[in-house]
Amino acid sequence: GAVVSQHPSWVICKSGTSVKIECRSLDFQATTMFWYRQFPKQSLMLMATSNEGSKATYEQGVEKDKFLINHASLTLSTLTVTSAHPEDSSFYICSARRNNEQFFGPGTRLTVL
Amino acid sequence: GQNIDQPTEMTATEGAIVQINCTYQTSGFNGLFWYQQHAGEAPTFLSYNVLDGLEEKGRFSSFLSRSKGYSYLLLKELQMKDSASYLCAVRDNTGAGSYQLTFGKGTKLSVIP
Repeated sequence: GAVVSQHPSWVICKSGTSVKIECRSLDFQATTMFWYRQFPKQSLMLMATSNEGSKATYEQGVEKDKFLINHASLTLSTLTVTSAHPEDSSFYICSARRNNEQFFGPGTRLTVL
Repeated sequence: GQNIDQPTEMTATEGAIVQINCTYQTSGFNGLFWYQQHAGEAPTFLSYNVLDGLEEKGRFSSFLSRSKGYSYLLLKELQMKDSASYLCAVRDNTGAGSYQLTFGKGTKLSVIP
């Protein structure tokens, strides 16, 4: 089956610092990856669509300068939360598209102090 | 855009059957997915419907009526481990061969002895 990994699985950082989260498709190539955010007791909210070799497409209300997405290869997309604040604390989940399916990574729990 | 509606919470007894409904409004419909999500974990794929009718997979079945914008997930022979959130997600064509998945808020199912 298709496997998607995320690293790190959890991270705690100080307010004002930047955090990078990696999303890898381990056994398939993904031209499209998606980044979601999930606050406690809420559903997944799509943040952006990451396309290999081109700029990411951000959803309305998501600051592209704060959430930097790079999809430099067919197996790796990164999300960098710049100048993180406590309100950015959330569960970040990536998914990779293969054919007509999306496969989810295990998620990254970000806590900003 | 999408408007996906599903009940917030449900409770059912071990061994019983439970039906979780989902209604949606969307343009460019390209399939409906059901995911299971345990607390603190990423969603796992349960089922996919793109044509009207019932898809059965073991203890889980999913039904779709495109004309009514309606789907349900049926869980049979409930087990305690089925206690989780169940997310209804609709895939939309966004043009140029691309699509995106939008999630409902999820239904938290509690299975009791």
